[in-house]
Amino acid sequence: SQTIHQWPATLVQPVGSPLSLECTVEGTSNPNLYWYRQAAGRGLQLLFYSVGIGQISSEVPQNLSASRPQDRQFILSSKKLLLSDSGFYLCAWLRQGITGELFFGEGSRLTVL
Amino acid sequence: GDSVTQMEGPVTLSEEAFLTINCTYTATGYPSLFWYVQYPGEGLQLLLKATKADDKGSNKGFEATYRKETTSFHLEKGSVQVSDSAVYFCALSTTDSWGKLQFGAGTQVVVTP
Repeated sequence: SQTIHQWPATLVQPVGSPLSLECTVEGTSNPNLYWYRQAAGRGLQLLFYSVGIGQISSEVPQNLSASRPQDRQFILSSKKLLLSDSGFYLCAWLRQGITGELFFGEGSRLTVL
Repeated sequence: GDSVTQMEGPVTLSEEAFLTINCTYTATGYPSLFWYVQYPGEGLQLLLKATKADDKGSNKGFEATYRKETTSFHLEKGSVQVSDSAVYFCALSTTDSWGKLQFGAGTQVVVTP
């Protein structure tokens, strides 16, 4: 069966520090992968998606970047965090087929102080 | 563009009460519709889905019917439990945007004993 894992689960970082959140999928090959952000009290915003190694599409301009160095690995990064980067980050993979449903990881909560 | 509108929360109910969460959508294509649930501190889980008009998705006592004429996908449960306390998200995807789900803002449901 397919599983998706994110880490770290919780992170507290000072403004201006770097960030790296990692997401790994198991049990499937060449998945579409996605990073969403959920700000406090708000809905989900798609940040990046990737259809293959080295292929990244950005949905919104921001202080973050994404990379896909391996087929089942998706990384969210920042060189210098801003207060506004605080939020709950969710990685997801796409179940192919007519339904196109996403399966989400456990999430990574980032607090920037 | 595509969008999802769902009723604002929080919705507070007593155990065994009837729950309805309204969701309407706008989409240029023929979307698939989803309800996701997020329990406190966790990622999102797919609750149910419907891929074409008049389809009814159901799971764990929850139901939602895809109504193309009213562009709606309301979530219902006949008798809620305390364990149903969570945030519920309505979402859609279209054939030309697989995986790039458009989410509603989420509705928090609180069920009291």
